[in-house]
Amino acid sequence: AQTVTQSQPEMSVQEAETVTLSCTYDTSESDYYLFWYKQPPSRQMILVIRQEAYKQQNATENRFSVNFQKAAKSFSLKISDSQLGDAAMYFCASTAGNKLVFGAGTILRVKS
Amino acid sequence: EAQVTQNPRYLITVTGKKLTVTCSQNMNHEYMSWYRQDPGLGLRQIYYSMNVEVTDKGDVPEGYKVSRKEKRNFPLILESPSPNQTSLYFCASSLSTSRNEQFFGPGTRLTVL
Repeated sequence: AQTVTQSQPEMSVQEAETVTLSCTYDTSESDYYLFWYKQPPSRQMILVIRQEAYKQQNATENRFSVNFQKAAKSFSLKISDSQLGDAAMYFCASTAGNKLVFGAGTILRVKS
Repeated sequence: EAQVTQNPRYLITVTGKKLTVTCSQNMNHEYMSWYRQDPGLGLRQIYYSMNVEVTDKGDVPEGYKVSRKEKRNFPLILESPSPNQTSLYFCASSLSTSRNEQFFGPGTRLTVL
């Protein structure tokens, strides 16, 4: 079965600093999509960023960007100028055919 | 307002007592799915549906049933709940496939005693 691995259970960052969350995945597919979702304490799941595997260019959404290394099957999320509102659980996910597979999540704490 | 709704939000029940968690979306989405979230395991997909009357197993379907008789509704049925099904459950929908942004419901916290 396809797996998504987030090796950092918890991370901390100082407000205004930059942090990178790691994600690796395995897939035998050539055409797939990758996602980062944010889950704040409210439990609501929110899409942060989406990457199409056949696109070489790394996706960017304001302060959020990814480093997509297709050969290494790595998909890390970089948060720049961290804000208190960025504190949340972050999940990496990959499509697997018609399914969606999530990692175990990384808790991000932001210190003021 | 575009949204996915789930009911109930919280449920405590006993082993073996059949229950249904409802899910409804008002965005005319074709793809709907159910996930369970457990500490240290992230979200795991239980079932998904590509359209009306089209459902398929996710990674953890044992002990669950679903149906998709109408496009907007996708109920999750636990015919004989057991304590290992105690979890946080999310319903989600997207435009057409798993490749699109998933819109999640608010979650249902289920406890099986």
